[in-house]
Amino acid sequence: QLQLQESGPGLVKPSETLSLTCTVSGASISSSSYYWGWIRQPPGKGLEWIGSIYYSGTTYCNPSLKSRVTISVDTSKMQFSLKLSSVTAADTAVYYCAGHSNSAYNWFDPWGQGTLVTVSS
Amino acid sequence: DIQMTQSPSSLSASVGDRVTITCRASQSISTYLNWYQQKPGKAPKLLIYAASTLQSGVPSRFSGSGSGTDFTLTISSLQPEDFATYYCQQSYNNPYTFGQGTKLEIK
Repeated sequence: QLQLQESGPGLVKPSETLSLTCTVSGASISSSSYYWGWIRQPPGKGLEWIGSIYYSGTTYCNPSLKSRVTISVDTSKMQFSLKLSSVTAADTAVYYCAGHSNSAYNWFDPWGQGTLVTVSS
Repeated sequence: DIQMTQSPSSLSASVGDRVTITCRASQSISTYLNWYQQKPGKAPKLLIYAASTLQSGVPSRFSGSGSGTDFTLTISSLQPEDFATYYCQQSYNNPYTFGQGTKLEIK
Protein backbone atom coordinates (compact mmCIF):
# COMPACT_ATOMS: atom_id res chain seq x y z
CA GLN A 1 0.00 0.00 0.00
CA LEU A 2 1.49 3.29 -1.12
CA GLN A 3 2.22 5.67 1.73
CA LEU A 4 3.86 9.07 1.93
CA GLN A 5 5.35 10.91 4.89
CA GLU A 6 6.49 14.51 5.08
CA SER A 7 9.40 15.66 7.23
CA GLY A 8 11.16 18.93 7.87
CA PRO A 9 11.35 21.95 10.17
CA GLY A 10 8.10 23.27 11.58
CA LEU A 11 9.39 26.82 11.94
CA VAL A 12 11.12 28.93 9.31
CA LYS A 13 12.21 32.55 9.58
CA PRO A 14 10.95 35.16 7.11
CA SER A 15 13.13 35.52 3.99
CA GLU A 16 14.67 32.09 4.55
CA THR A 17 14.08 28.87 2.59
CA LEU A 18 11.51 26.28 3.58
CA SER A 19 12.74 22.72 2.99
CA LEU A 20 10.61 19.60 3.20
CA THR A 21 11.12 15.98 2.24
CA CYS A 22 8.57 13.33 1.42
CA THR A 23 9.43 9.66 1.84
CA VAL A 24 7.56 7.17 -0.32
CA SER A 25 6.93 3.61 0.84
CA GLY A 26 4.86 0.69 -0.34
CA ALA A 27 5.58 1.31 -4.01
CA SER A 28 8.48 2.42 -6.13
CA ILE A 29 9.08 6.14 -6.50
CA SER A 30 10.16 5.21 -10.04
CA SER A 31 6.67 4.00 -10.89
CA SER A 32 5.42 5.24 -14.24
CA SER A 33 1.96 5.63 -12.70
CA TYR A 34 2.82 8.64 -10.62
CA TYR A 35 4.17 12.06 -10.51
CA TRP A 36 4.84 13.21 -6.95
CA GLY A 37 3.24 16.40 -5.80
CA TRP A 38 3.22 19.08 -3.16
CA ILE A 39 0.04 20.83 -2.03
CA ARG A 40 -0.38 23.31 0.79
CA GLN A 41 -3.25 24.56 2.94
CA PRO A 42 -3.02 27.74 5.02
CA PRO A 43 -4.74 27.40 8.41
CA GLY A 44 -8.50 27.46 7.96
CA LYS A 45 -8.25 27.92 4.20
CA GLY A 46 -8.35 25.94 0.98
CA LEU A 47 -5.86 23.87 -0.98
CA GLU A 48 -3.17 25.14 -3.34
CA TRP A 49 -1.14 22.91 -5.65
CA ILE A 50 2.54 23.87 -5.54
CA GLY A 51 4.15 21.55 -8.06
CA SER A 52 4.95 17.99 -9.05
CA ILE A 53 7.92 15.91 -10.16
CA TYR A 54 8.37 12.68 -12.11
CA TYR A 55 11.02 10.16 -11.09
CA SER A 56 13.07 11.22 -14.10
CA GLY A 57 13.30 14.72 -12.65
CA THR A 58 10.74 16.37 -14.91
CA THR A 59 8.92 19.01 -12.92
CA TYR A 60 6.03 21.37 -13.38
CA CYS A 61 4.92 24.01 -10.95
CA ASN A 62 2.19 26.49 -10.21
CA PRO A 63 3.22 29.64 -12.10
CA SER A 64 2.32 31.76 -9.07
CA LEU A 65 5.09 30.07 -7.07
CA LYS A 66 7.45 28.94 -9.79
CA SER A 67 10.10 31.61 -9.19
CA ARG A 68 10.52 30.46 -5.57
CA VAL A 69 10.00 26.69 -5.88
CA THR A 70 12.51 23.92 -6.40
CA ILE A 71 11.34 20.30 -6.44
CA SER A 72 13.83 17.45 -6.64
CA VAL A 73 13.80 13.66 -6.42
CA ASP A 74 16.22 11.11 -5.01
CA THR A 75 15.14 7.71 -6.26
CA SER A 76 17.81 5.89 -4.26
CA LYS A 77 16.30 7.21 -1.04
CA MET A 78 12.68 6.96 -2.25
CA GLN A 79 12.30 10.65 -1.48
CA PHE A 80 11.32 13.86 -3.18
CA SER A 81 11.80 17.32 -1.79
CA LEU A 82 10.42 20.83 -1.85
CA LYS A 83 12.33 24.05 -1.38
CA LEU A 84 10.47 27.35 -1.20
CA SER A 85 12.66 30.42 -1.01
CA SER A 86 12.12 33.90 0.41
CA VAL A 87 9.23 32.83 2.61
CA THR A 88 6.82 35.22 4.28
CA ALA A 89 4.00 34.77 6.75
CA ALA A 90 1.73 34.05 3.79
CA ASP A 91 3.61 30.77 3.30
CA THR A 92 2.50 29.49 6.70
CA ALA A 93 0.50 26.36 5.92
CA VAL A 94 0.13 22.64 6.28
CA TYR A 95 2.23 21.16 3.49
CA TYR A 96 1.15 17.85 2.02
CA CYS A 97 2.94 15.53 -0.33
CA ALA A 98 0.84 13.28 -2.50
CA GLY A 99 0.90 10.79 -5.29
CA HIS A 100 -0.10 12.66 -8.43
CA SER A 101 -1.65 10.33 -10.97
CA ASN A 102 0.19 10.23 -14.28
CA SER A 103 -3.06 10.00 -16.15
CA ALA A 104 -5.11 12.50 -18.05
CA TYR A 105 -7.14 13.21 -14.95
CA ASN A 106 -4.24 14.14 -12.66
CA TRP A 107 -5.79 13.31 -9.32
CA PHE A 108 -3.90 13.40 -6.02
CA ASP A 109 -3.93 10.12 -4.11
CA PRO A 110 -2.74 9.10 -1.60
CA TRP A 111 -1.72 12.01 0.57
CA GLY A 112 0.78 12.23 3.39
CA GLN A 113 -0.51 13.27 6.79
CA GLY A 114 0.76 16.81 6.29
CA THR A 115 3.21 18.94 8.22
CA LEU A 116 2.57 22.43 9.56
CA VAL A 117 5.21 24.97 8.66
CA THR A 118 5.03 28.32 10.41
CA VAL A 119 6.93 31.31 9.08
CA SER A 120 7.86 33.55 11.98
CA SER A 121 10.87 35.26 13.46
CA ASP B 1 -6.01 30.20 -14.00
CA ILE B 2 -9.28 28.28 -13.96
CA GLN B 3 -11.36 29.34 -10.98
CA MET B 4 -13.43 26.70 -9.23
CA THR B 5 -16.46 27.86 -7.25
CA GLN B 6 -18.34 25.55 -4.92
CA SER B 7 -21.80 26.04 -3.53
CA PRO B 8 -22.90 26.13 -0.91
CA SER B 9 -19.88 27.05 1.23
CA SER B 10 -21.51 25.29 4.15
CA LEU B 11 -24.44 22.98 4.55
CA SER B 12 -26.32 21.52 7.51
CA ALA B 13 -27.94 18.14 7.05
CA SER B 14 -29.12 15.12 9.00
CA VAL B 15 -28.11 11.48 8.91
CA GLY B 16 -30.01 9.81 6.10
CA ASP B 17 -30.43 12.98 4.04
CA ARG B 18 -29.56 13.20 0.35
CA VAL B 19 -27.06 15.98 -0.21
CA THR B 20 -25.76 17.64 -3.36
CA ILE B 21 -22.72 19.90 -3.62
CA THR B 22 -22.08 21.91 -6.75
CA CYS B 23 -18.79 22.93 -8.34
CA ARG B 24 -18.56 25.39 -11.23
CA ALA B 25 -15.50 26.02 -13.37
CA SER B 26 -14.72 29.41 -14.88
CA GLN B 27 -14.24 27.73 -18.27
CA SER B 28 -15.05 24.39 -19.76
CA ILE B 29 -12.95 21.57 -18.33
CA SER B 30 -14.69 18.59 -19.97
CA THR B 31 -14.69 15.91 -17.24
CA TYR B 32 -11.31 16.83 -15.76
CA LEU B 33 -12.78 17.15 -12.29
CA ASN B 34 -11.90 15.36 -9.05
CA TRP B 35 -13.56 15.39 -5.63
CA TYR B 36 -11.95 15.06 -2.19
CA GLN B 37 -13.17 14.70 1.37
CA GLN B 38 -11.23 16.24 4.25
CA LYS B 39 -11.92 15.66 7.93
CA PRO B 40 -10.56 18.02 10.61
CA GLY B 41 -6.84 17.61 11.15
CA LYS B 42 -6.55 15.04 8.38
CA ALA B 43 -5.31 15.01 4.80
CA PRO B 44 -7.80 15.11 1.94
CA LYS B 45 -8.96 11.79 0.57
CA LEU B 46 -9.81 11.19 -3.08
CA LEU B 47 -13.46 10.25 -3.59
CA ILE B 48 -14.14 10.63 -7.30
CA TYR B 49 -12.00 11.28 -10.35
CA ALA B 50 -12.84 12.10 -13.95
CA ALA B 51 -16.07 13.68 -12.70
CA SER B 52 -17.91 10.42 -12.08
CA THR B 53 -15.52 7.52 -11.40
CA LEU B 54 -15.60 6.31 -7.82
CA GLN B 55 -12.18 5.72 -6.30
CA SER B 56 -11.63 2.17 -5.08
CA GLY B 57 -12.91 1.67 -1.54
CA VAL B 58 -15.23 4.69 -1.55
CA PRO B 59 -18.83 3.83 -0.57
CA SER B 60 -21.35 3.73 -3.38
CA ARG B 61 -23.53 6.36 -1.69
CA PHE B 62 -21.09 8.88 -3.18
CA SER B 63 -21.58 9.80 -6.82
CA GLY B 64 -20.41 12.50 -9.17
CA SER B 65 -21.72 13.92 -12.39
CA GLY B 66 -21.28 16.76 -14.82
CA SER B 67 -19.13 17.97 -17.66
CA GLY B 68 -18.09 21.27 -19.14
CA THR B 69 -18.44 23.85 -16.38
CA ASP B 70 -20.98 22.37 -13.96
CA PHE B 71 -20.44 19.41 -11.68
CA THR B 72 -22.15 17.83 -8.70
CA LEU B 73 -21.18 15.54 -5.86
CA THR B 74 -24.10 13.68 -4.36
CA ILE B 75 -24.27 11.68 -1.15
CA SER B 76 -27.40 9.56 -1.36
CA SER B 77 -27.87 8.87 2.34
CA LEU B 78 -25.65 10.73 4.76
CA GLN B 79 -23.78 8.69 7.33
CA PRO B 80 -22.18 10.11 10.50
CA GLU B 81 -18.70 9.68 9.03
CA ASP B 82 -19.57 11.84 6.01
CA PHE B 83 -19.57 15.10 7.95
CA ALA B 84 -16.47 16.78 6.58
CA THR B 85 -15.31 19.39 4.09
CA TYR B 86 -15.47 18.56 0.40
CA TYR B 87 -13.28 20.03 -2.33
CA CYS B 88 -13.41 19.86 -6.09
CA GLN B 89 -10.24 20.12 -8.17
CA GLN B 90 -9.83 20.74 -11.88
CA SER B 91 -7.14 18.81 -13.70
CA TYR B 92 -7.71 20.35 -17.11
CA ASN B 93 -4.60 22.51 -17.05
CA ASN B 94 -1.76 23.96 -15.02
CA PRO B 95 -2.16 25.27 -12.40
CA TYR B 96 -4.43 22.61 -10.96
CA THR B 97 -6.89 24.51 -8.82
CA PHE B 98 -9.29 23.60 -6.07
CA GLY B 99 -12.65 24.95 -5.05
CA GLN B 100 -12.88 26.81 -1.76
CA GLY B 101 -14.55 23.87 -0.05
CA THR B 102 -18.01 22.96 1.21
CA LYS B 103 -18.31 22.22 4.91
CA LEU B 104 -20.98 19.64 5.63
CA GLU B 105 -22.22 19.87 9.20
CA ILE B 106 -24.67 17.93 11.32
CA LYS B 107 -28.08 19.57 11.70
